Amino acid sequence: DAKTTQPTSMDCAEGRAANLPCNHSTISGNEYVYWYRQIHSQGPQYIIHGLKNNETNEMASLIITEDRKSSTLILPHATLRDTAVYYCIVRSPNTGNQFYFGTGTSLTVIP
Amino acid sequence: SQTIHQWPATLVQPVGSPLSLECTVEGTSNPNLYWYRQAAGRGLQLLFYSVGIGQISSEVPQNLSASRPQDRQFILSSKKLLLSDSGFYLCAWSQGRYGYTFGSGTRLTVV
Repeated sequence: DAKTTQPTSMDCAEGRAANLPCNHSTISGNEYVYWYRQIHSQGPQYIIHGLKNNETNEMASLIITEDRKSSTLILPHATLRDTAVYYCIVRSPNTGNQFYFGTGTSLTVIP
Repeated sequence: SQTIHQWPATLVQPVGSPLSLECTVEGTSNPNLYWYRQAAGRGLQLLFYSVGIGQISSEVPQNLSASRPQDRQFILSSKKLLLSDSGFYLCAWSQGRYGYTFGSGTRLTVV
């Protein structure tokens, strides 16, 4: 699986958009980009995933660059409950391929 | 709908005692199952995964073992706990390319 690079921590004002970057310069053609988040003392929660097109759901938007070497997770209106560690992972969907979590980005939403 | 159950939520065990953590999945058949561990302030480490009954793959050498006696049951065990086995243990099941769903976790403290 390709490795990802994320900033260790970020702050965001409540109500503003939170933009979390991820670099995955060695991503291969069949690997998807996944985002999870982990609120303290809970299991990670799936947010969104994509292959090459931008994706949006009720939680967030995922913007993937045309060369697929980086992506940005956007939380459009951050709330205090969005304070969590956000993990960016790249993985092919083939059976037997696992998720390997890095240390992620610790996002703090500030009142 | 699919659900994943993990218990107990917290556990305090003395060094040298045995361990058994159980995870069960409902609402699906033949899931891929996973055990992760998260040490305090660290990322998630994949310990074991299973693609079927009796099929266990270990990611890292350690003091722990895993078993899958039934299709939707995954058990993490140890014969003699070490202090270094303390951590937050998470079970997950795979939804194919939609990623993982995690249980609520077990916080193990070895004293």
